[in-house]
Amino acid sequence: EDQVTQSPEALRLQEGESSSLNCSYTVSGLRGLFWYRQDPGKGPEFLFTLYSAGEEKEKERLKATLTKKESFLHITAPKPEDSATYLCAVQASTGFQKLVFGTGTRLLVSP
Amino acid sequence: AAGVIQSPRHLIKEKRETATLKCYPIPRHDTVYWYQQGPGQDPQFLISFYEKMQSDKGSIPDRFSAQQFSDYHSELNMSSLELGDSALYFCASSLGRGVEAFFGQGTRLTVV
Repeated sequence: EDQVTQSPEALRLQEGESSSLNCSYTVSGLRGLFWYRQDPGKGPEFLFTLYSAGEEKEKERLKATLTKKESFLHITAPKPEDSATYLCAVQASTGFQKLVFGTGTRLLVSP
Repeated sequence: AAGVIQSPRHLIKEKRETATLKCYPIPRHDTVYWYQQGPGQDPQFLISFYEKMQSDKGSIPDRFSAQQFSDYHSELNMSSLELGDSALYFCASSLGRGVEAFFGQGTRLTVV
């Protein structure tokens, strides 16, 4: 069964304090790994898609990387507006549609 | 840019009632997904449609049904509602399969 585990569950940072979020996965053939940001009571907002090990993508203060077993979301010099829950999801090559989500990392950035 | 539109945004129903949630995908997107997110939980896949045909099925109760119409909008029909059905219901759409999906703002269903 496809599984996604995210750590830590919650992370508190000071503004400007860089850190990384982890997403470990087991999947029967990876089609894609997705990162989403979710604010309370709102829908997940798409951030990145990674398809193969070694791939990296960047957007503003965020950088996502992928290995064969895990993905990292690096946050450089975060700001309070980066506070949100970050969700990782995988899409298997066999199921090819549904996303299997992790439980997310709740990030709080204090000024 | 146009996003996924869901209606209603909030819905309160009593036990054993029925509810219909609507989803209007991003223009030209041909694939629609439905997810259920309980409080403090990750989104759980319910069902998806590609080109108006059901394409994948997850943990959707038999009391629920869904379809995608000719204009690509989708409806999730929920009957015999239970207290445990209270959750955020998200619709997402994508252009084709196996690519990133974009989510709507969700419908918050409360069953009392």
